[in-house]
Amino acid sequence: QVQMVQSEAEVKKPGASVKVSCKASGYTFTTYGISWVRQAPGQGLEWMGWISPYYGDTNYAQNLQGRVTMTTDTSTSTAYMELRSLRSDDTAVYYCVREAELVRGFVTLSYWGQGTLVSVSS
Amino acid sequence: DIQMTQFPSSLSASVGDRVTITCRASQNINSYLNWYQQKPGKAPKLLIYAASSLESGVPSRFSGSGSGTDFSLTISSLQPEDFATYYYCQQSYNTPRTFGQGTKLEIK
Repeated sequence: QVQMVQSEAEVKKPGASVKVSCKASGYTFTTYGISWVRQAPGQGLEWMGWISPYYGDTNYAQNLQGRVTMTTDTSTSTAYMELRSLRSDDTAVYYCVREAELVRGFVTLSYWGQGTLVSVSS
Repeated sequence: DIQMTQFPSSLSASVGDRVTITCRASQNINSYLNWYQQKPGKAPKLLIYAASSLESGVPSRFSGSGSGTDFSLTISSLQPEDFATYYYCQQSYNTPRTFGQGTKLEIK
């Protein structure tokens, strides 16, 4: 079965960087895109961006451009999301999500990791 | 960016009730609309895709409808496990793949 297993919680100071990992299993890693979604405490879901493990193409949310980098390591079926210049409002649970195309052309966020809490505090 | 507006933001209902949550897109997104359910402390779960298709394993009391800019999620007969839960719409028409702000379903 498909599993997305994320790294453990992190505590960072403002200005620092964090790199969250997401190890995929149960499918061919390069076949599906991976999105990252975050959720601040008590808030809704925010799509951060997407990466194609096959091509390495990325697409980032405008408000994170310049601070976020998404990468993959196909040899270990692992996706990474690095966020730099952390601020207190980056405190959130970060999810990696494997996409699916249940109907051709219609992309869904189908397989979610368990989430990684990143806390930013001085 | 496409803005997704959900209403109501919260909803109180009883077991057995029929409820509808509405989602409006700021532009035409055809049927590129998904619905997710999120329980406290858990990752979201896909319920409905392509506006009206039921994800495998999701109970048939959940249904989706709409196209263009106006969409709805209906739960035909609320069950106890449907409460204390947030429901989110999300457009997959283009990037950024924006979400609605969520609707919290509470027991009356």
